Amino acid sequence: DTEVTQTPKHLVMGMTNKKSLKCEQHMGHRAMYWYKQKAKKPPELMFVYSYEKLSINESVPSRFSPECPNSSLLNLHLHALQPEDSALYLCASSQPTQGVSTEAFFGQGTRLTVV
Amino acid sequence: GNSVTQMEGPVTLSEEAFLTINCTYTATGYPSLFWYVQYPGEGLQLLLKATKADDKGSNKGFEATYRKETTSFHLEKGSVQVSDSAVYFCALSRMDTGRRALTFGSGTRLQVQP
Repeated sequence: DTEVTQTPKHLVMGMTNKKSLKCEQHMGHRAMYWYKQKAKKPPELMFVYSYEKLSINESVPSRFSPECPNSSLLNLHLHALQPEDSALYLCASSQPTQGVSTEAFFGQGTRLTVV
Repeated sequence: GNSVTQMEGPVTLSEEAFLTINCTYTATGYPSLFWYVQYPGEGLQLLLKATKADDKGSNKGFEATYRKETTSFHLEKGSVQVSDSAVYFCALSRMDTGRRALTFGSGTRLQVQP
């Protein structure tokens, strides 16, 4: 199984809503990531979890709150978002090997629209 | 800092034409280099990778060689197909994240016409 599964695939939310994005992998990877991709742009790193601990936060606004409940799951909690937060949110996982990097496996993404 | 520069797109080719997409990078240390492909409405798929200088990554007829002296990792394919139409991203592993996270180039859209 080399899949990273993200749910939901599409999400429309109002600026006062609270919602969560979910990501799951069963490859035994101990590093998981959230990336944000705006239309016609490359993915940009948001957060890195390594061994279920947050290791990198790329100065992301607090209205985005990540959570890693166990080694297979990664959530992104959303609250009071702005229309400019509309984007494709990609989850990825990899082995956290520091000596030689291994490839990251990406999910299909959640396309988020904030109205 | 880390950065990746790709050639501007879109690149439009006829089926069976030769493909080159240029990629150069700036990085501290010795990053690993990757090419990812994104089909419309989908996530990213790893196409190929190289972890050290002079390594050649290859997959599905695509190739790229890690050139440290020119800090380049150009993507090539000898004969493209309509099904290769997609956006291609060159990426490097960020040394400041222990080679875990990726920095991507801007992406190059490839359109292959029958």
